[in-house]
Amino acid sequence: DSGVTQTPKHLITATGQRVTLRCSPRSGDLSVYWYQQSLDQGLQFLIQYYNGEERAKGNILERFSAQQFPDLHSELNLSSLELGDSALYFCASSASGARDEQYFGPGTRLTVT
Amino acid sequence: AQKVTQAQTEISVVEKEDVTLDCVYETRDTTYYLFWYKQPPSGELVFLIRRNSFDEQNEISGRYSWNFQKSTSSLNFTITASQVVDSAVYFCALSEWSFGNEKLTFGTGTRLTIIP
Repeated sequence: DSGVTQTPKHLITATGQRVTLRCSPRSGDLSVYWYQQSLDQGLQFLIQYYNGEERAKGNILERFSAQQFPDLHSELNLSSLELGDSALYFCASSASGARDEQYFGPGTRLTVT
Repeated sequence: AQKVTQAQTEISVVEKEDVTLDCVYETRDTTYYLFWYKQPPSGELVFLIRRNSFDEQNEISGRYSWNFQKSTSSLNFTITASQVVDSAVYFCALSEWSFGNEKLTFGTGTRLTIIP
C-alpha cells in the first residue's frame, strides 16, 4: 500500500459528461501529480500541484482541470468527455518535486461510452 | 526534448533465469534523476529505485540490481533468479526540467513475463 488513495476505483459515463476524480496524497507529501495511462499514449504526465499551487503542466487537455485543496487532497475534473478519454488515471504524491520518488495510488479506470 | 527509450516491448523468460531490462535516455540537463517503476497485473505503479546523475555506482537490492552508465546514457535493470511474481510491466523514467518546472517522462515500458 503506497499510502495514496484514489476514488472512485471505476467510473463509467457517457460522452459529453463531466466527472471528478479524487486523490489523497501520502501523509506529509506536498506534491500531487496526475497521470493518464492509455494503450496508445502510454503513461502521460498531466499536471502537478505543490502545496496548493500548480507547479508543472504536461499534456493536459483544456477540457481537463485540477486543483489541490488546503488539506492537500486533489481533484481532477474531466469535462465534455470523449471516447478517447477512456483510460486509467493515476494520482501520485511526493515529498516535494519531480526529483523525489513518487508514490502512486491504485488509479481510477474511466470508461466513456 | 528529453526522451526515455525502452526498446524491449516484451520479454519472456523461464523462472529462475536472470533477465535484464534496458533503458536509454536523452537529456541536456547536467543534473537529472532516473527512476524505475513496476506495474504488476493488479495495476498499481510501484517505485523501485531512484538514481541521480552524479552517482554512477551500481545498486543491488535483493534480487534486483541496476547498472548506471552515463557514457551510454543507460540505466539497466537486472532481475536475478526471476520468479513468477516478477511478471509485470516495468517503466523507466527521467526527471525533466521544462520552462522552470520539473516533470517525469516515462518510457513506454517493458512487459516481463516469467514462465513457471
